[in-house]
Amino acid sequence: SYELTQPPSVSVSPGQTASISCSGDKLGETYVCWYQQKPGQSPVLVIYQDTKRPSGVPERFSGSSSGNTATLTISGTQAMDEADYYCQAWDSSTASFGGGTKLTVL
Amino acid sequence: EVQLVESGGGLVQPGGSLRLSCAASGFSFSSYWMTWVRQAPGKGLEWVANIKHDGRENSYVDSVKGRFTITRDNAKNTLYLQMNSLRGDDTALYYCARAPPSGIGGWFDPWGLGTLVTVSS
Repeated sequence: SYELTQPPSVSVSPGQTASISCSGDKLGETYVCWYQQKPGQSPVLVIYQDTKRPSGVPERFSGSSSGNTATLTISGTQAMDEADYYCQAWDSSTASFGGGTKLTVL
Repeated sequence: EVQLVESGGGLVQPGGSLRLSCAASGFSFSSYWMTWVRQAPGKGLEWVANIKHDGRENSYVDSVKGRFTITRDNAKNTLYLQMNSLRGDDTALYYCARAPPSGIGGWFDPWGLGTLVTVSS
């Protein structure tokens, strides 16, 4: 399967900007999505097609992609943003998720 | 409101079978690709399979090929996952999720609450 690499953990202070990276050798050829998963809950889509934000997702969530790396950025991070974040992309007809990044808001 | 409700999980012995169901409501089920994603206890997400809106195309992660079969009944607005020859590493919470009409290359939204499959003797 297609390998997507994320840092296991990222820490941020409230009100600061958090950045979570996702790297894969074919990311320049495909869109990336991002999901937020809080403990005991199902994943929720927060970014699709690299940069688009679904209705209802706060504006502080943004996405970007350059070369083989995609980045999820959370501006003005709030305590409620503490969660696991997963990137996802496609390789031909199969989908892959990154290993996930635990965001801690200290 | 778009809703996905999984069922059919449970405890099964290695080598056994289970059929998961995902009842969809609140949208035109027959217009969307659908997918199954699983999450082993304390682990990350793993895509399992997806199926085209008319059921004529599907794909699987390598680890379940030949053992799992994804199907759908558009008349019943229901997605299925038939799981045979189950192994311990199939133990996970299984989610169904909706994919866009474009299918491959798209995103998964929304997700159900999941149904737990435990493979153990």
